[in-house]
Amino acid sequence: EIVLTQSPGTLSLSPGERVTLSCRASQSVSSSYLAWYQQKPGQSPRLLIYGASSRATGSPDRFSGSGSGTDFTLTISRLEPEDFAVYYCQQYGSSPWTFGQGTKVEIK
Amino acid sequence: EVQLVQSEAEVKKPGESLKISCKGSGYSFSTYWIGWMRQMPGKGLEWMGIIYPGDSDTIYSPSFQGQVTISADKSISTAYLQWISLKASDTAMFYCARGRGTASRGLYFDYWGQGTLVTVSP
Repeated sequence: EIVLTQSPGTLSLSPGERVTLSCRASQSVSSSYLAWYQQKPGQSPRLLIYGASSRATGSPDRFSGSGSGTDFTLTISRLEPEDFAVYYCQQYGSSPWTFGQGTKVEIK
Repeated sequence: EVQLVQSEAEVKKPGESLKISCKGSGYSFSTYWIGWMRQMPGKGLEWMGIIYPGDSDTIYSPSFQGQVTISADKSISTAYLQWISLKASDTAMFYCARGRGTASRGLYFDYWGQGTLVTVSP
């Protein structure tokens, strides 16, 4: 089973800042089958990125994904107030598909 | 508009059985995989299993194999997650989601239900 480790656990930032979230896999993720989700309190997860770098329908262009192999990154170019949430990565290249433990982006 | 609508919250006692549902609309329900995910209180997401409603092909995560049963009725565009004998440790939020990709190569999830909170308490 591939273990995904997200860092940092929590980020305290101000609106307008640039954010970089990390997702590191215990083994190489085949075909860059890595997705990112956003979850706000009391809401369901929302798909942001799939295939490591493809933006999902409706995902704002301030969100971008990159990486391959074992190291992946989600970047938010300029934090908006609605971006404060928990972000999860998911690998789907090797069953069982697994999620990272999440990174919380909170208002400073 | 793609929608997945899940059944309401449930409060059960240990040992009781339960079946929760996920009804899809706005797309061809039979031709997309449906996945189930667990989120325990204050924790992250865990993939439980998937089902292809067209032929009811089902794949379970090893962590959940034998613990739950996933089924679907394509005639009413509904998938189900079932327990025979609940435990307190089954207390969690459960989400269904539409899968994109193929089961053999891997799936990510593009539309999610609103979640069903299951509370198991004596």
